[in-house]
Amino acid sequence: EVQLVETGGGLIQPGGSLRLSCAASGFTVSSNYMSWVRQAPGKGLEWVSVIYSGGSTYYADSVKGRFTISRDNSKNTLYLQMNSLRAEDTAVYYCARGYSGYDFDAFDIWGQGTMVTVSS
Amino acid sequence: SSELTQDPAVSVALGQTVRITCQGDSLRSYYASWYQQKPGQAPVLVIYGKNNRPSGIPDRFSGSSSGNTASLTITGAQAEDEADYYCNSRDSSGNHPYVFGTGTKVTVL
Repeated sequence: EVQLVETGGGLIQPGGSLRLSCAASGFTVSSNYMSWVRQAPGKGLEWVSVIYSGGSTYYADSVKGRFTISRDNSKNTLYLQMNSLRAEDTAVYYCARGYSGYDFDAFDIWGQGTMVTVSS
Repeated sequence: SSELTQDPAVSVALGQTVRITCQGDSLRSYYASWYQQKPGQAPVLVIYGKNNRPSGIPDRFSGSSSGNTASLTITGAQAEDEADYYCNSRDSSGNHPYVFGTGTKVTVL
C-alpha cells in the first residue's frame, strides 16, 4: 500500500527546533519529488518546501533560512528540520508526494499530518 | 509569488450542480489540481491536469480551464461532497514552485 506517515510534531517554545519525519511505504521517496504543506488552525493550505529527485530544494519565503528539507534514501524517509520556530509556524504539517506532467503538478499521496504548536 | 483566489463559500442543493472557481495568473500556463478536505482529515486529490480523476474519485467531479480561471464542477452533489476544496498549481512567478488557492467551503443543502 502506498502510504506516508508523519511523526515528530509537538509543543515547542518560540525559538526552539523540531524535526519532522515522513516515512514512505509502497514507493521510493528518492524517485519522486516530495513536499511539505502546512495548515494553520482554521486556515488554508500553505506550501512550505519541496525536494526533487535530483536533490534540489526550494522553500516558501515564510520559512526560508529557518527550515531545511532532506531525505534519507536508506530509510525511505523525508524530513523537515525546523529551527527558530515562531508562533506563526503553528500548524498541521503534511508531507505529500508530487506527481507532474508537462503542464501540471499535483500532490497525489498525503500523510495524515502532524501538529506543531509553538507556544511558551 | 503568484496567488490563486477562490470564493470563500458556496452552497448547493442535494443532487444539483456546483462550480468552484480558482483564479490566478499561473493558470494561463498550467492546469490546476484540486483537493477535497473534510474536517480533521488530510487533503485528497480529486482532479489533476486537463481533467483527470485519480482512481476512486467519482465521475461527478470534473475540471476545466479558461484563461486565468480553473473550475471544479460537481455534477449531482452528494451529502458526502460537503468539504473544503483547494486548487493548486505551479507558481509562474518563478519565485516558488507551487501555490495553493485560498479554499472554498462547499455546503450541500
